[in-house]
Amino acid sequence: NAGVMQNPRHLVRRRGQEARLRCSPMKGHSHVYWYRQLPEEGLKFMVYLQKENIIDESGMPKERFSAEFPKEGPSILRIQQVVRGDSAAYFCASSPPSGITGELFFGEGSRLTVL
Amino acid sequence: DAKTTQPPSMDCAEGRAANLPCNHSTISGNEYVYWYRQIHSQGPQYIIHGLKNNETNEMASLIITEDRKSSTLILPHATLRDTAVYYCIVRVAETSGSRLTFGEGTQLTVNP
Repeated sequence: NAGVMQNPRHLVRRRGQEARLRCSPMKGHSHVYWYRQLPEEGLKFMVYLQKENIIDESGMPKERFSAEFPKEGPSILRIQQVVRGDSAAYFCASSPPSGITGELFFGEGSRLTVL
Repeated sequence: DAKTTQPPSMDCAEGRAANLPCNHSTISGNEYVYWYRQIHSQGPQYIIHGLKNNETNEMASLIITEDRKSSTLILPHATLRDTAVYYCIVRVAETSGSRLTFGEGTQLTVNP
């Protein structure tokens, strides 16, 4: 049973380019969460999605960032016109549609470097 | 979600028990205590969670005080691979899922 898969693991972009990070949740999971970790800092919540719906985007920057979780395919975190401050590790997590443990399963992250 | 307070760092000798404290004095009756850890550069990993009773699994034990205002994560025989940042998180465990709010955590260093 494969875990949460993120790709690419490493991504290099120049300022002004777009970055797309993909996350395939664990099989049977319909909830996806995105977190950002800046260098030497803690994990910050960005957005929580269910299939085709954004449930909580309170941690998303107001501009340039968007997320989706379509009916088919992986969840996508999109960063437009990247700046150096976007350089960070972006972690995706998933959880099942039901259950009482509240456990989130994390991927290994995508590391974005903006030159 | 209730706020938690953890020491920024701790050291432990390999093979000894590591006891990581967490204060959550504003915890509500329906909030659970979760522990996650993040080994350097990897994704966070779930360890254990509990409501009011002590819990044990293959990774660790969780001791929650009777008033639920604090808890201790115990790694009974720490190894070098247990060196990581440990996060204590308090939140309601909802069936449909909700976010985890990570604090600063405790950097545990296991020394040979």
